[in-house]
Amino acid sequence: GEDVEQSLFLSVREGDSSVINCTYTDSSSTYLYWYKQEPGAGLQLLTYIFSNMDMKQDQRLTVLLNKKDKHLSLRIADTQTGDSAIYFCAESPQGSARQLTFGSGTQLTVLP
Amino acid sequence: DTAVSQTPKYLVTQMGNDKSIKCEQNLGHDTMYWYKQDSKKFLKIMFSYNNKELIINETVPNRFSPKSPDKAHLNLHINSLELGDSAVYFCASSQARDEQYFGPGTRLTVT
Repeated sequence: GEDVEQSLFLSVREGDSSVINCTYTDSSSTYLYWYKQEPGAGLQLLTYIFSNMDMKQDQRLTVLLNKKDKHLSLRIADTQTGDSAIYFCAESPQGSARQLTFGSGTQLTVLP
Repeated sequence: DTAVSQTPKYLVTQMGNDKSIKCEQNLGHDTMYWYKQDSKKFLKIMFSYNNKELIINETVPNRFSPKSPDKAHLNLHINSLELGDSAVYFCASSQARDEQYFGPGTRLTVT
């Protein structure tokens, strides 16, 4: 079955790098996503990676995918207080409908 | 312009009542979704729907039913509300297999 796991909490100091990790079980996943949820708001798509890629960089965000270990990570460089939020990884299996399976979310707290 | 909107933002109601949450998207997407986020922030797909198929998560009670008057709307109707239905419900939309865009959520509280 599908299962996506994340650690629940991460605290970093402003200016440091943050690394949020995610593991998944569905080897048929075609896309893997990172979403950000700020307090009281909906989910905002940050970035995604196709399963045949190892890495994707987008400004301060770097996504690494280890398909063999089914491990996905999101690195945020120069973390700012505005980055404090819950970060969800999600996988999209093959199939006619894109039903995302989300991880439990990682609460990132950026300390001044 | 809001891409995916939901109404109401907050909904407080008593057990046993029937209620609906509305969702509209102005992105021209062909697929819409409903998710439930519980108190621990865990997100779970409830339904995905386009004009060809409705896919229902097998864990969703049949008290929940999606209703789509047209391609831009997917409403969620809930019968006989229970305490455990209290959660934040998110609507989302996508074009075919592209990324999903989420609405701001509806916080449902059942008393």
